[in-house]
Amino acid sequence: AQTVTQSQPEMSVQEAETVTLSCTYDTSESDYYLFWYKQPPSRQMILVIRQEAYKQQNATENRFSVNFQKAAKSFSLKISDSQLGDAAMYFCAYRSGSDMRFGAGTRLTVKP
Amino acid sequence: DTGVSQNPRHKITKRGQNVTFRCDPISEHNRLYWYRQTLGQGPEFLTYFQNEAQLEKSRLLSDRFSAERPKGSFSTLEIQRTEQGDSAMYLCASSLNWAHEQYFGPGTRLTVT
Repeated sequence: AQTVTQSQPEMSVQEAETVTLSCTYDTSESDYYLFWYKQPPSRQMILVIRQEAYKQQNATENRFSVNFQKAAKSFSLKISDSQLGDAAMYFCAYRSGSDMRFGAGTRLTVKP
Repeated sequence: DTGVSQNPRHKITKRGQNVTFRCDPISEHNRLYWYRQTLGQGPEFLTYFQNEAQLEKSRLLSDRFSAERPKGSFSTLEIQRTEQGDSAMYLCASSLNWAHEQYFGPGTRLTVT
């Protein structure tokens, strides 16, 4: 069974600094997708970034980038120039076909 | 298009009662997913539809749960004889097709007393 592990229940970062959220996953599939979703307090989940497993190049979306290590089954999210609006729960997710699984989440606090 | 909508946003019910939630996906999205999220956890997959066809159900979806998407547009999730363990946030998501990302609704928070 595919599992997604986020080993950091909580993280904090100073405004304007950089923070990295960790995610590892377990799969025997070769073709899959990885995602980071953001869930602000009492608001709906939104997609931050996605990575196709067949792509070697790490995905980047403005201040958000990933470090995808396929052999190590690691998929970390780096947030640069952190802003107060980045405070939220961040979920790492894995999808192969219709099977989508989420990690338990990391709560990110941004300190002014 | 205003995104995925869910109603009601909150539902409080007594144990043993039936409840029904509605999800309106983004128009033209063929896939619709239901998830359950308990406090401090990530969403757990319940079921999904390709148009009106329910293609997969999780083992979490006991026989007290039923979902429909009668015309391939909105979907309903019904829980019969609710139990306290059913208390959770129920999330709906939709995607254009299997390869596209899922867009989530705001969820329906169910409290069973």
